[in-house]
Amino acid sequence: DVQLVQSGAEVKKPGESLKISCKGSGYSFTSYWIAWVRQVPGKGLEWMGVIHPGDSDTRYNPSFQGQATISADKSISTAYLQWSSLKASDTAMYYCARPRVVGVYDAFDLWGQGTMVTVSS
Amino acid sequence: DIQMTQSPSTLSASVGDRVTITCRASQSMSTWLAWYQQRSGKAPKLLIYQTSSLESGVPSRFSGSGSGTEFTLTISNLQPDDFATYYCQRYKSYSPEWTFGQGTKVEIK
Repeated sequence: DVQLVQSGAEVKKPGESLKISCKGSGYSFTSYWIAWVRQVPGKGLEWMGVIHPGDSDTRYNPSFQGQATISADKSISTAYLQWSSLKASDTAMYYCARPRVVGVYDAFDLWGQGTMVTVSS
Repeated sequence: DIQMTQSPSTLSASVGDRVTITCRASQSMSTWLAWYQQRSGKAPKLLIYQTSSLESGVPSRFSGSGSGTEFTLTISNLQPDDFATYYCQRYKSYSPEWTFGQGTKVEIK
């Protein structure tokens, strides 16, 4: 099956670091961009950034630049989203998603199941 | 940057109804416009891409149209599974930038 499988829910304290993952399978992981999308509880969807696992070319939404870091390990078909110092405002559901066309910034036809990150003292 | 505004924010409807959700862009844009359905506690699901193309496996009661600054998602013969939140999304196939509308919740009347 073509799928993106994300790591499990996390509960962290402010100031802690965190790295969540998104593993692709069933397709050529290095051919498609992978995006990260944030959804604060009860709110809408926000695109954070995107990475091309083939060469690790990474682009960020200016609104999220510097807030988190996107990376990928193509050898294990996995993309990552990490924080060095979490804030309470990072509490959200985070989705990874894949555009529907190879190498193109298209609509997202494949989504991970989401990773809930809760930051609370 | 182009902003996307959906209306209404909430829509009450009954099974069998025809409903229309509007997405307005702050300036004229191309037809790179998608619609997603998000059921409670689930990931979004692509319904429509490039304004009016139906994603594989999506029922034909969903349709999209529009141009310029106004785009619409229409659900004909609303089914129980359709009560969810719907998002429009502008994208630019040549540049990494995706912008979502704020969402429209379709609830049972």
